[in-house]
Amino acid sequence: EDQVTQSPEALRLQEGESSSLNCSYTVSGLRGLFWYRQDPGKGPEFLFTLYSAGEEKEKERLKATLTKKESFLHITAPKPEDSATYLCAVQAPRNDKIIFGKGTRLHILP
Amino acid sequence: ETGVTQSPTHLIKTRGQQVTLRCSSQSGHNTVSWYQQALGQGPQFIFQYYREEENGRGNFPPRFSGLQFPNYSSELNVNALELDDSALYLCASSPPGQNYGYTFGSGTRLTVV
Repeated sequence: EDQVTQSPEALRLQEGESSSLNCSYTVSGLRGLFWYRQDPGKGPEFLFTLYSAGEEKEKERLKATLTKKESFLHITAPKPEDSATYLCAVQAPRNDKIIFGKGTRLHILP
Repeated sequence: ETGVTQSPTHLIKTRGQQVTLRCSSQSGHNTVSWYQQALGQGPQFIFQYYREEENGRGNFPPRFSGLQFPNYSSELNVNALELDDSALYLCASSPPGQNYGYTFGSGTRLTVV
């Protein structure tokens, strides 16, 4: 069964303390892996799409990488405004269904 | 600022009632999908429409139905509401072509009492 697992569930970091969020997936024929940021009470905000193993994308303090079984979202020198829930999702070839993980709640302390 | 608009933002319904949620997508986005997000969970895929035809469905019963219109708007209808239907309902749209990231609306918070 297609599945997405994110870890850790929650992460508290000091401002400037770099870390990585993990997204493990099992899907037959990955069409794309997405990272989103979600603030409380709002819809997810698109960050990145990765298509093939070895691909990397960067945006400000965020960098996403992809292997055949997992993706990492690296956050470098985070700031309090980076606090949010980060969601990982994969798109399977069957019906173009997008499957989300439960997310990682990131809290950056000033 | 998001190009996907959802209405209403909040809604309270009684168990057994029916509800219609609305979404207005960005012009040219001919794919729209709907998600249910319970508190503390990731969004769950309900269904997807492409050019006004349903082309994908998640594990939701038939009382969840939808429509997509030529003007890039869409609806999610839920009949016979149950308490467990209380959630944030999200609409997302995507332009034609390859796997672009979907643009999400801010959602409708549905509470069933």
